[in-house]
Amino acid sequence: EVHLVESGGGLVHPGESLRLSCVASGFNFNYYWVAWVRQAPGKGLEWVASIDQHDRETYYVDSVQGRFLLSRDNAVRSVYLQMNELRVDDTATYYCVRDTFGVYDFWGQGTQVTVAS
Amino acid sequence: EIVLTQSPDTLSVSPGERVTLSCRASQSVVNNYLAWYQQRPGQRPRLLISGATTRATGIPDRFFGSGSGTDFTLTINGLGPGDFAMYYCQHYTSLPRTFGQGTKVEI
Repeated sequence: EVHLVESGGGLVHPGESLRLSCVASGFNFNYYWVAWVRQAPGKGLEWVASIDQHDRETYYVDSVQGRFLLSRDNAVRSVYLQMNELRVDDTATYYCVRDTFGVYDFWGQGTQVTVAS
Repeated sequence: EIVLTQSPDTLSVSPGERVTLSCRASQSVVNNYLAWYQQRPGQRPRLLISGATTRATGIPDRFFGSGSGTDFTLTINGLGPGDFAMYYCQHYTSLPRTFGQGTKVEI
């Protein structure tokens, strides 16, 4: 059974940093892209970033480009989202998702990130 | 960037009814790379449909996806209690991946 488990969320002040982690199980992690999708309170879904199987290609939505950094360690089946210079509008639940050619076929339970002064 | 516009924003229906949700793209979705997701209150989203028409594993055939180009539809036949939820469309034809704003199906 496919599982994705996020951790690392919390409450931070504007300008501070957080590092989210996602640990995967139940599938051949080395074969899949992984993405992060976020959802602000009461709002819709927004793609944030994606990483390829080999940690060679990463892509980001414009609003986080230059502030967020996505990486992975296939040896421990994990993906990491380093979020720097956090803003109030980064407040959201962050979901780690398995990315199968752009289709988000499995989702983690999400981790809450709150940026507030 | 492809903008997806869903309509209506909210649908008020009764159990057992059929509903039709619309997703319109600002430009053609190449290869019909369009997916639908369901999000029940307080839960994570789950994949319903990919490729505009292909149901994900375990999704009942009450859920029917159709459309091509810029106009796509999700039809749900015989609404059950668990179908009252938010529904989002998403394209994956290019980056950035974008979602529609969602349609809420409520009693």
